[in-house]
Amino acid sequence: DGGITQSPKYLFRKEGQNVTLSCEQNLNHDAMYWYRQDPGQGLRLIYYSQIVNDFQKGDIAEGYSVSREKKESFPLTVTSAQKNPTAFYLCASSIVLNTEAFFGQGTRLTVV
Amino acid sequence: ILNVEQSPQSLHVQEGDSTNFTCSFPSSNFYALHWYRWETAKSPEALFVMTLNGDEKKKGRISATLNTKEGYSYLYIKGSQPEDSATYLCASDNQAGTALIFGKGTTLSVSS
Repeated sequence: DGGITQSPKYLFRKEGQNVTLSCEQNLNHDAMYWYRQDPGQGLRLIYYSQIVNDFQKGDIAEGYSVSREKKESFPLTVTSAQKNPTAFYLCASSIVLNTEAFFGQGTRLTVV
Repeated sequence: ILNVEQSPQSLHVQEGDSTNFTCSFPSSNFYALHWYRWETAKSPEALFVMTLNGDEKKKGRISATLNTKEGYSYLYIKGSQPEDSATYLCASDNQAGTALIFGKGTTLSVSS
């Protein structure tokens, strides 16, 4: 089955710890994205990647880091520098930048 | 930061009612407008990707129009059904060298 997989679905971490969210796709898409959703907010762009070994900051990149070493993988690290990390995180991919996006199921991160 | 606005924020209708929502986006450097449907506990799924001024797309009871000169798109649902209950997101591609910018969405609730 082709698709995009995020894991885990729920994640709990202590304040001050870095945590990495996984995003894998087997759609052979070049572009991948990370969005964050908070209550009452839309999807806000954290980072995106147009191609392997390249990525760009989105609107709210501070406190986050990414890597794109493989086409199918785009992990997001939430660092201790992120002031309000508790949120719902969505990963997406598309054939090329800004074509129809396919989304994962999301990861809900809670920092206590 | 480009601004994409959606209205209303939420909407409650009775089964059989027709309804519509608005998405406003910057008209400068416009390239494409996306509509997604996000049902509870699922991933957002693409409804339409529209690029041409005056374009109208249809999928079953759902249709969308696009006005790129004035920067708005309407999404129409004819004869709403409970299964149409979801959050409807629009996203703009303004060729600003960044990924899609999403609005906050319109949450539709259809009662039987």
